[in-house]
Amino acid sequence: DVQLVESGGGVVRPGGSLRLSCEASGFTFDDYVMHWVRQVPGKGLEWVSAINWNGGSIGYADSVKGRFTVSRDNAKNSLYLQMNSLRVEDTALYYCARGHYSGSSHWGQGTLVTVSS
Amino acid sequence: AIQLTQSPSSLSASVGDRVSFTCRASQGISNSLAWYQQKPGRAPNLLVYDASNLEDGVPTRFSGSGSGTDFTLTISSLQPEDVATYYCQQFNAYPLTFGGGTKVEIK
Repeated sequence: DVQLVESGGGVVRPGGSLRLSCEASGFTFDDYVMHWVRQVPGKGLEWVSAINWNGGSIGYADSVKGRFTVSRDNAKNSLYLQMNSLRVEDTALYYCARGHYSGSSHWGQGTLVTVSS
Repeated sequence: AIQLTQSPSSLSASVGDRVSFTCRASQGISNSLAWYQQKPGRAPNLLVYDASNLEDGVPTRFSGSGSGTDFTLTISSLQPEDVATYYCQQFNAYPLTFGGGTKVEIK
């Protein structure tokens, strides 16, 4: 079974940093584009970033460009999101998701990031 | 960035009704669109990819259509378990974007 397990969330002060991880299992990790998507509880979905199989194609939402960096380690079946210069508005549940054509077919359970003074 | 506008923002219908809701893109995106269902406290679930392809395991009462700028998700016979919020997402160009969602309730 495909499994995606996020970790690394927590409480951080504005201006601080966090590194999220997503450990994948049950599929050939380097065959897939991987995504980060976030959601403020009770609000809509916001796509954050995506990375292709070898890191040669990467995209970011305008709201995080220049502050967040996505990466992956195919040998460890892991996806990462380095988040710097965090803002209160970055508070959300962060999901990793596996790409599937024009769609994301498998999602983790999410890891909560809270940015607060 | 490509904007996706979903309408209506919410709807209420009876069990067995045929319901449709739309997603309009601010510019043409070919068929690079997905539809998701999200229930409270759960991660989104992919229903349709490439605008009209039903994901494996998704009930056949769900269907997607459209191309270019206008897309529709249809539930042919609404069931109680379909109560959820539905989102569209475009994959045509970075940054990828989601619509604001349509919340479906049972009357």
